[in-house]
Formats: sequence, structure tokens, C-alpha cells
Amino acid sequence: AQSVTQLDSHVSVSEGTPVLLRCNYSSSYSPSLFWYVQHPNKGLQLLLKYTSAATLVKGINGFEAEFKKSETSFHLTKPSAHMSDAAEYFCVVSSRGSTLGRLYFGRGTQLTVWP
Amino acid sequence: GAVVSQHPSWVICKSGTSVKIECRSLDFQATTMFWYRQFPKQSLMLMATSNEGSKATYEQGVEKDKFLINHASLTLSTLTVTSAHPEDSSFYICSAPGLAGGPFNEQFFGPGTRLTVL
Repeated sequence: AQSVTQLDSHVSVSEGTPVLLRCNYSSSYSPSLFWYVQHPNKGLQLLLKYTSAATLVKGINGFEAEFKKSETSFHLTKPSAHMSDAAEYFCVVSSRGSTLGRLYFGRGTQLTVWP
Repeated sequence: GAVVSQHPSWVICKSGTSVKIECRSLDFQATTMFWYRQFPKQSLMLMATSNEGSKATYEQGVEKDKFLINHASLTLSTLTVTSAHPEDSSFYICSAPGLAGGPFNEQFFGPGTRLTVL
């Protein structure tokens, strides 16, 4: 079975400080892992994805995530937050056992960036 | 990258009426599309998998007679909310796997449709 746990429902940071959004996963098979961002009333945009290549994945807008199999984690980080980063972030897993590409979503983490 | 569009972007309807939402893959073919609903401040919930040329597969607890899905072509899937009620008000989002499909590849999401039932 596949599942995703986002450990924080809300994270607040000051502009210019680091961002850490935590995600743990459970998968019966080797997973593909994604982080998506959603701005208010908008669709989802892919930030980055892990598909069994390099464990440190770099994405758009300065975000990166590290796949740690031993910890079953895929935390999202950014060295310096911008006001425009304020949004909802979803950690998502897709199992190689799923031929249809079914995705399993975490509950989301709301990121607030203070000026 | 691949683009998925949805129409309309928002709709307001009276209770008891039916509403059709379209999901189109603009520059690629999608034999499979996924429909999600999202309540405020919550995550996406998969409603059903739309399969071109065959019946949709619904998730447990989703009424197939309430949420009619038709995948008539390789670029279009429609979701019809029949006899809508206020509790059906939500944000409906569709997605389609990328060109190569499968679990390793990115899925592309539509911008969503905001449904409000009065």
C-alpha cells in the first residue's frame, strides 16, 4: 500500500530564511515521489520529482528535496524563502506497481512567508 | 511541457441542475485521465479514473450515477455532476499522465473548476 504523511499542516517563515517542508512516505514498491505547489484557486504545478536517479533532486524556483530510503522521507527545502513562495505544497507518491500512474497525495502544507 | 485545460474555470448553478466539466489534453493524447475533488483547506481526493473507450473506474464511496464520466476521445474527458446539491460545491481538478504515461512520469494537472451550487 502507498501513503504519504506531511508532518506539518502549516509552516511559517520570514522572507529570506530557509524553508523545510517534511514528508514521509510508505510504499510497497520502489516509489516515484513528487512535490507539487498550488497557489490559491489554481491548479497544481510540479516543483520536482524523484524517479530513482540522484537522491538529491533539484526543482524549480530554488527548491530541492532529498530522497532518504532509510528514513522513508522526501523533505522539501529552499535556502531562502520569497514572498511568492506562499502557497499550498503537496507531497505525492506514485508506485511502480501502479500501471495507471495513480497518485497518492499528502494532506498538504500551507506555507506562509512573512515580510 | 504538456498542457491540460479545463472548462469552465468556475460555475454557479442552482440545486437540482446538472453541470458538465471538460478536461482536455491540448498537445498530447491521454488514454487515461484522473478526476479529483478538493474541499477548502484539504488535499485532493481521487474520485475516478477515466479510460478512453471504456467505463470509468470509481473510487470507493464515489457515486457513479452522481458523477458521470465520459472519455469520448484521446484528448477529452468530461465529468457531469448530476442533480447537483450544495454539498457538491467543491474544486474539481483533472490530470493526465505525460507522453510516456506510467508511474514514473509527471502528471499534468488542469487549472481546476470551482463549482458552487446554490
